[in-house]
Amino acid sequence: NAGVTQTPKFQVLKTGQSMTLQCAQDMNHNSMYWYRQDPGMGLRLIYYSASEGTTDKGEVPNGYNVSRLNKREFSLRLESAAPSQTSVYFCASSESVYGQGANNEQFFGPGTRLTVL
Amino acid sequence: DAKTTQPNSMESNEEEPVHLPCNHSTISGTDYIHWYRQLPSQGPEYVIHGLTSNVNNRMASLAIAEDRKSSTLILHRATLRDAAVYYCILRAYTGNQFYFGTGTSLTVIP
Repeated sequence: NAGVTQTPKFQVLKTGQSMTLQCAQDMNHNSMYWYRQDPGMGLRLIYYSASEGTTDKGEVPNGYNVSRLNKREFSLRLESAAPSQTSVYFCASSESVYGQGANNEQFFGPGTRLTVL
Repeated sequence: DAKTTQPNSMESNEEEPVHLPCNHSTISGTDYIHWYRQLPSQGPEYVIHGLTSNVNNRMASLAIAEDRKSSTLILHRATLRDAAVYYCILRAYTGNQFYFGTGTSLTVIP
């Protein structure tokens, strides 16, 4: 049971290059999320997918696109990378059960450290 | 979205209790209070959550003010492994989105 896995762990891009960050979870969770964390800051939500087939913008979606490929996988794409997108990217998933006492605990992956030169 | 305010940093001696405060004066009646922590070079992990009543689990306790405008995470005996950034987060009752602030960086002194 691997939990949430992310690839790659590290990546260096030049300005204008594109890349896709991959995320997969094996917990049969409904919801998945992409966050970015800049140095000394908290996490900010980029996009999320409440359930398979749906995606929605978070706080900082500009410059990114996402695809919920199936229930397990949620990818994040940078079409034209910029230095401002240098950050650590975390993927997370949650069961998303609603109602009294629902935890909706989010499980996080180990992160991808991206540098854009 | 409701926001939270936490001190930037705190220190504690090993094996002593730690009280980490959080203010959330704009909390709505149906917002849950969650606490997560982030160890160095790792993703955040769940600590505890609550709605109105105080909560205990094996990791910590959560004390929620009667007016719900503030809460306190209590680590009963700090260990070196508790050194981390602690985030206080509000989540809407019917939502699953978290909005992280900058958190409190806890240093545990041996």
